[in-house]
Amino acid sequence: SQTIHQWPATLVQPVGSPLSLECTVEGTSNPNLYWYRQAAGRGLQLLFYSVGIGQISSEVPQNLSASRPQDRQFILSSKKLLLSDSGFYLCAWNNGLYEQYFGPGTRLTVT
Amino acid sequence: QQQVKQSPQSLIVQKGGISIINCAYENTAFDYFPWYQQFPGKGPALLIAIRPDVSEKKEGRFTISFNKSAKQFSLHIMDSQPGDSATYFCAAQSGAGSYQLTFGKGTKLSVIP
Repeated sequence: SQTIHQWPATLVQPVGSPLSLECTVEGTSNPNLYWYRQAAGRGLQLLFYSVGIGQISSEVPQNLSASRPQDRQFILSSKKLLLSDSGFYLCAWNNGLYEQYFGPGTRLTVT
Repeated sequence: QQQVKQSPQSLIVQKGGISIINCAYENTAFDYFPWYQQFPGKGPALLIAIRPDVSEKKEGRFTISFNKSAKQFSLHIMDSQPGDSATYFCAAQSGAGSYQLTFGKGTKLSVIP
């Protein structure tokens, strides 16, 4: 069966510091991978998606970036965090069909 | 238009009652409509989904009703239980090759004993 991991689970970072969040998927190959952000009490905002290694599409212009160095690894990064980057970051995957499955999430607090 | 409008924003239901959450969409190209359940501090979990070629899909106590002409779909939770207390999101996607789910803003359901 497929499993999706995210780490860290929680993170507190000062404004202006860098960020690296990691997502990995097990039990499948060549998945589509997604990064979402969920602000407190709000819906899900798609940030990036990837259909293959090195292929990244951005949905929202901002100070975040994503990379996919390996088939089942997706990384969300920032060089300098803003207060507005605080939120719950979710990684998701699907196999090209409809069903999309989410990871456990990373709670980021920028102070 | 890519929006999916979800209502109500919050819902309080007595244990054993029926919870109903509604969603409406504009984009007629949408052909996949999932519902996700999210508990606090957890990632959303796929609960149930429907394609527009059927008007209803039932899985246990959860039922999706779909009205293609009205461009509306709803989630019904029968015999609601306190363990169903969570935030529910509807979503829509157009085509298997599309990479985007368009989400509603969520409904916070509280089932009181």
